[in-house]
Amino acid sequence: DAGVTQSPTHLIKTRGQHVTLRCSPISGHKSVSWYQQVLGQGPQFIFQYYEKEERGRGNFPDRFSARQFPNYSSELNVNALLLGDSALYLCASSWAGAMNEQFFGPGTRLTVL
Amino acid sequence: KQEVTQIPAALSVAEGENLVLNCSFTDSAIYNLQWFRQDPGKGLTSLLLIQSSQREQTSGRLNASLDKSSGRSTLYIAASQPGDSATYLCAVRPTGSQGNLIFGKGTKLSVKP
Repeated sequence: DAGVTQSPTHLIKTRGQHVTLRCSPISGHKSVSWYQQVLGQGPQFIFQYYEKEERGRGNFPDRFSARQFPNYSSELNVNALLLGDSALYLCASSWAGAMNEQFFGPGTRLTVL
Repeated sequence: KQEVTQIPAALSVAEGENLVLNCSFTDSAIYNLQWFRQDPGKGLTSLLLIQSSQREQTSGRLNASLDKSSGRSTLYIAASQPGDSATYLCAVRPTGSQGNLIFGKGTKLSVKP
């Protein structure tokens, strides 16, 4: 079975631009979460979606938004990019419920110049 | 506020040695704890998931323990190999959350041949 997939792998943007990152969960998984990992730190939680509804939001500005589609794939959007948004963006999927293991994708490396 | 700490930040061992990685968390109200491995610039690979009601989990040369009351977990790696070189992250899922994992900063392990 395919694992969590993310696209694109790498992305270079300039300050003020907008970016869309995409994630496809493991088949059968209905929950998708997004994390931001800056160099040398552990991942920080951004959003969690389940059945197309937002179920959790981390401490990130409103420039960050996300959505989940009927096929459970998800998009993360970031507007008005800042240099500090440069990071590895990770998507994780799991079966519904808090007790379940989360599986992560390979990530999208975003560089903001 | 839940905080996760991993000590040491970096560890270097010789091939064949057994080793222990430490993880501590400040709030015992958790659903579970998960250990991950991360290779440079890559996504996270799930190693072990321990539910709050469990004391330990084993997978091959890996054994993870959980002492929820004291806010501690350890990851034991037996007979280390150069291929074990990576950053190891632990993460807890607080009760009341759905998809929110809180991570430590990781321990960077180097296994020398």
